[in-house]
Amino acid sequence: DSGVTQTPKHLITATGQRVTLRCSPRSGDLSVYWYQQSLDQGLQFLIQYYNGEERAKGNILERFSAQQFPDLHSELNLSSLELGDSALYFCASSSSGGRNQPQHFGDGTRLSIL
Amino acid sequence: GQQVMQIPQYQHVQEGEDFTTYCNSSTTLSNIQWYKQRPGGHPVFLIQLVKSGEVKKQKRLTFQFGEAKKNSSLHITATQTTDVGTYFCAGWDNYGQNFVFGPGTRLSVLP
Repeated sequence: DSGVTQTPKHLITATGQRVTLRCSPRSGDLSVYWYQQSLDQGLQFLIQYYNGEERAKGNILERFSAQQFPDLHSELNLSSLELGDSALYFCASSSSGGRNQPQHFGDGTRLSIL
Repeated sequence: GQQVMQIPQYQHVQEGEDFTTYCNSSTTLSNIQWYKQRPGGHPVFLIQLVKSGEVKKQKRLTFQFGEAKKNSSLHITATQTTDVGTYFCAGWDNYGQNFVFGPGTRLSVLP
């Protein structure tokens, strides 16, 4: 158990819809990362937050947004969903926002778009 | 942008055989991390290498960081069935804005 909690575990929705994925980091960790894992694209870094502030932005689509709240949990919002958004979405956390921090991954949310 | 490649894509070995996966970055890395993902699981941090030419060992696993800090390798001695999974290398791009994972090497170990 990594200590990172993601909900829900599974999500099934339709094209054009909007969903919110939630992540609670390990106790004491201040930084949260979001990733998308699909068979054809592998593990893609989306975005990182540190103590409520955006720290790094990777390959995140404009239809996607995220935030980190004062209690340090984070949410990833996906809107105008397309079939290609079907993937496993991981959240990870680290103790600080530095570039030398090990990341601890949650179990992921599997998103299926019908 | 930065690209990270890994070879081989797949490796099937008999239990007890050795295994090596190689990671190559298109740009110099400040550090490199290795993760393992078991089938149906999530990535788990294994190790981080920072210094040029650094070698680190964890039991049967040996990790190396190249002198130019553009490549790395993971070697497993005498594989066991518990080693099954996909091994990823990863590093931050030059601007510290994108954490790039390699495509991974999927290891299968036949008992």
